[in-house]
Amino acid sequence: DVKVTQSSRYLVKRTGEKVFLECVQDMDHENMFWYRQDPGLGLRLIYFSYDVKMKEKGDIPEGYSVSREKKERFSLILESASTNQTSMYLCASSLTGSGTEAFFGQGTRLTVV
Amino acid sequence: DAKTTQPPSMDCAEGRAANLPCNHSTISGNEYVYWYRQIHSQGPQYIIHGLKNNETNEMASLIITEDRKSSTLILPHATLRDTAVYYCIVRVGNSGNTPLVFGKGTRLSVIA
Repeated sequence: DVKVTQSSRYLVKRTGEKVFLECVQDMDHENMFWYRQDPGLGLRLIYFSYDVKMKEKGDIPEGYSVSREKKERFSLILESASTNQTSMYLCASSLTGSGTEAFFGQGTRLTVV
Repeated sequence: DAKTTQPPSMDCAEGRAANLPCNHSTISGNEYVYWYRQIHSQGPQYIIHGLKNNETNEMASLIITEDRKSSTLILPHATLRDTAVYYCIVRVGNSGNTPLVFGKGTRLSVIA
């Protein structure tokens, strides 16, 4: 089975801290995605990546950056965490090509205090 | 923005078929219809997708109207474990590198 693993299920950080959310997939997928999910707003795309060292902005990239140094790992970075970044963060991966679906991790619930 | 319209919530009796509708009246010829669901506190899970023909797999059936402006996801024998938010997504092409754009989905409650 494809597995997308997010490093933490729950995380509490202080305002102003630099925060790293890690995501690893084990099926050699080219594409990886970061979403955040908030009540009433649904899932919104932050960043995605087609390949190693490639990144594309999603709908809400402000306040975030990403890193993809290896194919299996896609990191989301909050340079200076703020309380409005308290959210559920979901990572996904997929193959390029026909008949492909995205596989999601379990999510990281981040609280910034 | 999501290109689909779904009812915000539905109920279904356990053991009965759950029929979840989706309108996508502006769908283009190269856009596929995907369905995902999200069980509470989990990441979304792929269910099924199709272009214009009806599709069936071990989880569900997807019925797409001939004009492709709407579709229905059918869970043939709903169980309590099918209680979740179901998302209908229209996506360009059949390529995995096109991000999924999620709308609000339909919250399905399966009732014993």
